Amino acid sequence: EAGVAQSPRYKIIEKRQSVAFWCNPISGHATLYWYQQILGQGPKLLIQFQNNGVVDDSQLPKDRFSAERLKGVDSTLKIQPAKLEDSAVYLCASRAETHEQYFGPGTRLTVT
Amino acid sequence: AQSVTQLGSHVSVSEGALVLLRCNYSSSVPPYLFWYVQYPNQGLQLLLKYTSAATLVKGINGFEAEFKKSETSFHLTKPSAHMSDAAEYFCAVRVGADSWGKLQFGAGTQVVVTP
Repeated sequence: EAGVAQSPRYKIIEKRQSVAFWCNPISGHATLYWYQQILGQGPKLLIQFQNNGVVDDSQLPKDRFSAERLKGVDSTLKIQPAKLEDSAVYLCASRAETHEQYFGPGTRLTVT
Repeated sequence: AQSVTQLGSHVSVSEGALVLLRCNYSSSVPPYLFWYVQYPNQGLQLLLKYTSAATLVKGINGFEAEFKKSETSFHLTKPSAHMSDAAEYFCAVRVGADSWGKLQFGAGTQVVVTP
């Protein structure tokens, strides 16, 4: 079974630029999550989708972050414009019916 | 609200020694608890989970954890550390009583294994 795929793995941008991350969850997983992991901290949930609907985006900075999940499969997370404090690893996860979440390798974003 | 606290941001153990990572939780509902491991430049991998069945949970790579309601704890142990256990470990609790499964993670414990 293929795991959660994410791209790119690394991205370096200047502040005020825009960036997008892509996630392909495990086939058949209806629930998809985006987490932000700042160095030295645990992952923090940004947004959660159930199929292509948003379940929870209470922690998403909506003035600069957006996410979509078209057709209930792939998802993209966008930041526009980026700030220095957005430097982090962005993790995508998908969930089976058995409660556990499966994580992708993450995208490491550096904002200079 | 649900939360977890991991005691100790760094732990150093000798190869062959006991690994003990501490996690205490706070939950207003019966908790679902998880331990994840993260190797450098990789995503998180599930080690084990507690979902209200047996209080002693066995996971992958020889790890196990015991749910103790009276102590609100879910500590992770491994009898004998291997060099390959060097990684960061995260305890997490499911937030809310619904089935959506949002997780609240602790700050993590970095494990260093010395020869």
